Amino acid sequence: KNQVEQSPQSLIILEGKNCTLQCNYTVSPFSNLRWYKQDTGRGPVSLTIMTFSENTKSNGRYTATLDADTKQSSLHITASQLSDSASYICVVTGTASKLTFGTGTRLQVTL
Amino acid sequence: KAGVTQTPRYLIKTRGQQVTLSCSPISGHRSVSWYQQTPGQGLQFLFEYFSETQRNKGNFPGRFSGRQFSNSRSEMNVSTLELGDSALYLCASSLDDSGSSYEQYFGPGTRLTVT
Repeated sequence: KNQVEQSPQSLIILEGKNCTLQCNYTVSPFSNLRWYKQDTGRGPVSLTIMTFSENTKSNGRYTATLDADTKQSSLHITASQLSDSASYICVVTGTASKLTFGTGTRLQVTL
Repeated sequence: KAGVTQTPRYLIKTRGQQVTLSCSPISGHRSVSWYQQTPGQGLQFLFEYFSETQRNKGNFPGRFSGRQFSNSRSEMNVSTLELGDSALYLCASSLDDSGSSYEQYFGPGTRLTVT
């Protein structure tokens, strides 16, 4: 069964600190992997999208990595800001464009 | 370009009633997907439409249905509402239906509360 597991489930960090969110998947075959940021009460917004051949992709302070061999991805946030407080969702596209969603990591950045 | 719009933004219904939600994709986008989001289950795929045809369907009961019009606008309908249908319903549009590297753009969602 195709699954996407994210860890940790929730995280609290101080403003200015870095953090890394994990995503492990069993989806096969694999088409692409996306990271979304979702603010409370809003729709998800895309941060990065990576295909099989890409190892790293950055979007400002967000850097996603992908290891297709171990089926793992991470999202690294540098110098966190209060506005980074949100849920981060990992989504993997498999065959027939079927999307499998992780349940997300809830990040809270505090002063 | 205007983003994905969803109406209404909030809705309160009673068990047993039915509801219709609307989604207008970004201009030029022909693929529209619907998702249900609940705190416990996260985002779950309902169905995807492309050029007025349902291309993919998730594992939801037949009470959940949808359609897409010639202008790519889409509606989803839930009949005989249950308390468990309370959720945020999200619509997403994209240029392509292949789900390859085409970006999906989400709307703000419709918050449905069933009492």
